Amino acid sequence: DSGVTQTPKHLITATGQRVTLRCSPRSGDLSVYWYQQSLDQGLQFLIQYYNGEERAKGNILERFSAQQFPDLHSELNLSSLELGDSALYFCASRTGEGQGTQYFGPGTRLTVL
Amino acid sequence: GENVEQHPSTLSVQEGDSAVIKCTYSDSASNYFPWYKQELGKRPQLIIDIRSNVGEKKDQRIAVTLNKTAKHFSLHITETQPEDSAVYFCAAIFSGGYNKLIFGAGTRLAVHP
Repeated sequence: DSGVTQTPKHLITATGQRVTLRCSPRSGDLSVYWYQQSLDQGLQFLIQYYNGEERAKGNILERFSAQQFPDLHSELNLSSLELGDSALYFCASRTGEGQGTQYFGPGTRLTVL
Repeated sequence: GENVEQHPSTLSVQEGDSAVIKCTYSDSASNYFPWYKQELGKRPQLIIDIRSNVGEKKDQRIAVTLNKTAKHFSLHITETQPEDSAVYFCAAIFSGGYNKLIFGAGTRLAVHP
């Protein structure tokens, strides 16, 4: 157990809908990262927050947005869902901003029908 | 651009043999290189990492080597066991991205008894 929690574990929804994925970082970690992993694909970096502020963006679609709250949990919002958005979504956390280990949560499996 | 190439994409070995996975990266300023192991449907877990001030690091049956001049690093697993079967991802930090990890595409390792 990495100490990073994600809810829900599974999510099934329809095209065009909107969902919110939640991540709670390890106690004391200020940085949260979101990744998307499609079937049999690698891990694609989406976005990073540090202490409530956006720090870096990857190939995140405009239909996706995220935020980090004062209690440091983070939410990833996915809207106007398409079939191709079906994937595992992981968040990871670490203490600071510098280079070092990121600890991954168990992931949320999103299925868009 | 930001890129990590990983080879091979699949690797099949007999139990007890060694396995080697290789990665190259594009950003000469990268100085942190973790390796993650991911079992089917589970979170990526850090197995070993290396920083650019060392050329090699070992942890029991796992070792990582780094050649900064060639921008190349490798994972070596000796005396492989069936429980080593998983997908392995290399990654590199990119200097412009506040600890943004860019992952390789992954290597599916199968260890046959």
